[in-house]
Amino acid sequence: TQLLEQSPQFLSIQEGENLTVYCNSSSVFSSLQWYRQEPGEGPVLLVTVVTGGEVKKLKRLTFQFGDARKDSSLHITAAQPGDTGLYLCAGYHTGNQFYFGTGTSLTVIP
Amino acid sequence: DSGVTQTPKHLITATGQRVTLRCSPRSGDLSVYWYQQSLDQGLQFLIQYYNGEERAKGNILERFSAQQFPDLHSELNLSSLELGDSALYFCASSQRNMGTSGTYTVNTGELFFGEGSRLTVL
Repeated sequence: TQLLEQSPQFLSIQEGENLTVYCNSSSVFSSLQWYRQEPGEGPVLLVTVVTGGEVKKLKRLTFQFGDARKDSSLHITAAQPGDTGLYLCAGYHTGNQFYFGTGTSLTVIP
Repeated sequence: DSGVTQTPKHLITATGQRVTLRCSPRSGDLSVYWYQQSLDQGLQFLIQYYNGEERAKGNILERFSAQQFPDLHSELNLSSLELGDSALYFCASSQRNMGTSGTYTVNTGELFFGEGSRLTVL
């Protein structure tokens, strides 16, 4: 059972294009994280958001936590080949569990 | 390098067998999480330990068990293996950073993942 659904599942774009990845749930999470995973490696944390409506920017990446704490989005401006990877959202639920989303596989073509 | 070490990196075994996966967390991290990653199920939470005690349980099968030892390393035991158990098994460690945001208790602790153990059951 996946509490967090991500869309799209796969995304292939040209270098320089913008894109948005969505993370949705019917459950409320107290905090939400985004990770990026590259082949052969474990996920690496990009950002943590803890307040409903919060927006955080990390260079060309913009993260938003929904007002109701049920959804989040990741927007990448002017994508580069180095952005290629699997993007995972993870919601923290009471009970000490981080639930991961289904993942979005991004390929940026030079 | 995340500082989390997992062994073995690759494991091939037959159905019905038993294997043990090992995880050494980052120095100082008391929490250890185990996750299973497969193509059709994504990253599934299995179980969490904190300073030797089980803290949370996810979708862990009864054929699977885990423990965290006094030196904080953890082992995940998988028995009576089936074809469907073939997956990447990740261990992650963290330091819990608990706080509040409004009425919510939040954990902003970063999960540091190992490189995973790829299990293939034939």
